[in-house]
Amino acid sequence: DAGVIQSPRHEVTEMGQEVTLRCKPISGHNSLFWYRQTMMRGLELLIYFNNNVPIDDSGMPEDRFSAKMPNASFSTLKIQPSEPRDSAVYFCASSPPASQETQYFGPGTRLLVL
Amino acid sequence: DQQVKQNSPSLSVQEGRISILNCDYTNSMFDYFLWYKKYPAEGPTFLISISSIKDKNEDGRFTVFLNKSAKHLSLHIVPSQPGDSAVYFCASLSSAGTYKYIFGTGTRLKVLA
Repeated sequence: DAGVIQSPRHEVTEMGQEVTLRCKPISGHNSLFWYRQTMMRGLELLIYFNNNVPIDDSGMPEDRFSAKMPNASFSTLKIQPSEPRDSAVYFCASSPPASQETQYFGPGTRLLVL
Repeated sequence: DQQVKQNSPSLSVQEGRISILNCDYTNSMFDYFLWYKKYPAEGPTFLISISSIKDKNEDGRFTVFLNKSAKHLSLHIVPSQPGDSAVYFCASLSSAGTYKYIFGTGTRLKVLA
């Protein structure tokens, strides 16, 4: 069974451009999480969806960041406009209804904003 | 304000010896704790967990200890193997709220052959 799928795996863009990161959670999972990993701050939760509804977005840095989950099998994280300080690895994770305390992570998207 | 701290950014251990990774937390509402392992260019993978009703949980070579009064947990790997070389993250959550992990900053373990 496929795990969490993220695309693209790598993204290089210029400051000011829009960036869209994509995630397909594991089939049957009903919770989805977006994280950002940086050297200084480690893994930080940005936003958490349950049954496609955003539950906690307190980690979203600012209005330049937005996330959507239009259906149970797809989510996007958008940065507009992007800035060099957004450079990081962005992970998507999902968890099943019977075991919400255990999250399954995708391989991540490495973003570099020049 | 770092609610979950891993004060050792790196650790080197000889193959066959014990690796001990430490984690401290500040929020007394946390009642579930997990360790994740991360290899380069991959996402973190779940390793082992413990709930606050226990003080020890064991799974093969991996044991997690929880000291609630000290707000401290540790991961023991015995015996350590070169394939254990990775970054280890501890995470805490409060099941009374949302299933929102608070992660530590990670400890890079290198097991020397």
